Amino acid sequence: QVQLQESGPGLVKPSETLSLTCGVSVDSISGSYYWGWIRQPPGKGLEWIGSIYHSGSTYYNPSLKSRVTISVDTSKNQFSLKLSSVTAADTAVYYCARPGRTAMVTSYFDYWGQGTLVTVSS
Amino acid sequence: EIVLTQSPGTLSLSPGERATLSCRASQSVSSSYLAWYQQKPGQSPRLLIYGASSRATGIPDRFSGSGSGTDFTLTISRLEPEDFAVYYCQQYGYSPGTFGQGTRVEIK
Repeated sequence: QVQLQESGPGLVKPSETLSLTCGVSVDSISGSYYWGWIRQPPGKGLEWIGSIYHSGSTYYNPSLKSRVTISVDTSKNQFSLKLSSVTAADTAVYYCARPGRTAMVTSYFDYWGQGTLVTVSS
Repeated sequence: EIVLTQSPGTLSLSPGERATLSCRASQSVSSSYLAWYQQKPGQSPRLLIYGASSRATGIPDRFSGSGSGTDFTLTISRLEPEDFAVYYCQQYGYSPGTFGQGTRVEIK
């Protein structure tokens, strides 16, 4: 069974850059998937942030595109998220996930990490 | 982007009752690319349904999905105690994929 695990700082100061990594196990990140990041503000709904293919091809939510960078490290079987110029509105649980559809940017997600809460506060 | 509106916001039911959750899209969802998830407090979302009506692996058959175009429904035929949770729909026919705001199913 595919396992994903998010890691990174739980507290980020306003205007700084949020950085998270998702480690993937029991599956190769070089498979035919657009691995995704999704976030959920406390008590609110889910928002797709963006997705990346093992080749480095990325797609971002237009609402966040100017601040988001997703990258992949196939040698470590992991992918990463950077979100710049954060504000309190970026406080959320951040999930990494594997889509159910192969080679498609848009998909449902059938495997999720446990999520990590990132709080933006000084 | 496609906006998904879920109703009702909260559904209060008793174990054994039937739950009917609605998800309406602001425009037609391509090829019924609609999914449903269940989320319990402190847990990640769990995929229930994809393609509007296909159950994900290991999902009990009391969960069923239906609909097409702009109107979709998740039905739980007989609520079990473990089914009380928040449910989200998601469309993945157009980028960006978007989620509904959720329906909470609570114990009456």
